[in-house]
Amino acid sequence: KQEVTQIPAALSVPEGENLVLNCSFTDSAIYNLQWFRQDPGKGLTSLLLIQSSQREQTSGRLNASLDKSSGRSTLYIAASQPGDSATYLCAVNVWDAGGTSYGKLTFGQGTILTVHP
Amino acid sequence: DGGITQSPKYLFRKEGQNVTLSCEQNLNHDAMYWYRQDPGQGLRLIYYSQIVNDFQKGDIAEGYSVSREKKESFPLTVTSAQKNPTAFYLCASSINGWVAGNEQFFGPGTRLTVL
Repeated sequence: KQEVTQIPAALSVPEGENLVLNCSFTDSAIYNLQWFRQDPGKGLTSLLLIQSSQREQTSGRLNASLDKSSGRSTLYIAASQPGDSATYLCAVNVWDAGGTSYGKLTFGQGTILTVHP
Repeated sequence: DGGITQSPKYLFRKEGQNVTLSCEQNLNHDAMYWYRQDPGQGLRLIYYSQIVNDFQKGDIAEGYSVSREKKESFPLTVTSAQKNPTAFYLCASSINGWVAGNEQFFGPGTRLTVL
């Protein structure tokens, strides 16, 4: 069974720092990996989607990498801002027992990020 | 505006009651999903539907039921058989669940509390 772990569970940094959030998964047979942001009491906002054939994706100050062989992904946030404070979740798109993906996501428990001025 | 709407935002249930959570999307997506979020446990899949009139159980379907009579709607009923229903419920959709690589988009969620 696929398990997804995110480290650290919480992170507090001063504004302007570059930071890295980590995500690891136990089964490398994934279709893709998606990073989300969640503000308190809100739904999830998709940040980046990395296909299994890709090594990284970039959007603005965000860069996500994927190493399937080692079961790891990182989310790099450059020049952090107080508005980046949120919970960041990674999720992998898993295979069904029959070898098909139905878009079912397995989530990590998230990293709570606080960026203070 | 295209997107996913969930209602109500807050819902209170008495013991023994069934309640239904609404999820509507106008993105013309085929696939829709229901997840449950508990503190410290991340999101877990309850039910998913790849196409109208078809749906499958996820990892924690016991005590829940769904229907998919229209492409844009995927309501979730929390029955009295669900022993611990207090949680944050999130609905999601994607263009087509069978095609690998499709991004999932989420609604704003419904917070259910059992009184």
